[in-house]
Amino acid sequence: ETGVTQTPRHLVMGMTNKKSLKCEQHLGHNAMYWYKQSAKKPLELMFVYNFKEQTENNSVPSRFSPECPNSSHLFLHLHTLQPEDSALYLCASSQEDREVNQPQHFGDGTRLSIL
Amino acid sequence: QKEVEQNSGPLSVPEGAIASLNCTYSDRGSQSFFWYRQYSGKSPELIMFIYSNGDKEDGRFTAQLNKASQYVSLLIRDSQPSDSATYLCALGGSGGYNKLIFGAGTRLAVHP
Repeated sequence: ETGVTQTPRHLVMGMTNKKSLKCEQHLGHNAMYWYKQSAKKPLELMFVYNFKEQTENNSVPSRFSPECPNSSHLFLHLHTLQPEDSALYLCASSQEDREVNQPQHFGDGTRLSIL
Repeated sequence: QKEVEQNSGPLSVPEGAIASLNCTYSDRGSQSFFWYRQYSGKSPELIMFIYSNGDKEDGRFTAQLNKASQYVSLLIRDSQPSDSATYLCALGGSGGYNKLIFGAGTRLAVHP
């Protein structure tokens, strides 16, 4: 149990579907992240939220839409995805610190497959 | 040049030996360094982090940082088959706070 819970664990969807990924952290952190992990590639940072405000969008296509209603919850809304978007999507959280990077703690991920 | 370089492996070591995993980086402004372990099909798990030059020990794990030479290492003493996983190196600092850059990882195989 990492303190970061992601649902669903697996998701299969067609290219025209709309779905959402959910992340919840119970660590009292105030920074949350979405990462994409494709086979044999480094983790790619997608979005960063600090105290519910988006502070980083790493040139992510608009078919991915994040939402952070509070410091404990993070969503990733998916719409009109492409087959190359099939990957493991990881949520992470950390304590926000402007002096030094604090360790990030990951959820178990959502394995997404686009048909 | 990639921002974070790791040998993809697999690095094969016998049980009980010391496994040495290395990571080099290009950004001299990097201030914080992390090692994560990732089992196949699972999410990354934080193993250690180090901010200052030198060694930091935690149980069987030792992280070594040399900012002048721009490398960070992870030593695993008394390697066990359960240590077989992919080890990810991550850096933070100059790209903005709360932003980590990950290497592609080194696969470690510990054989009995």
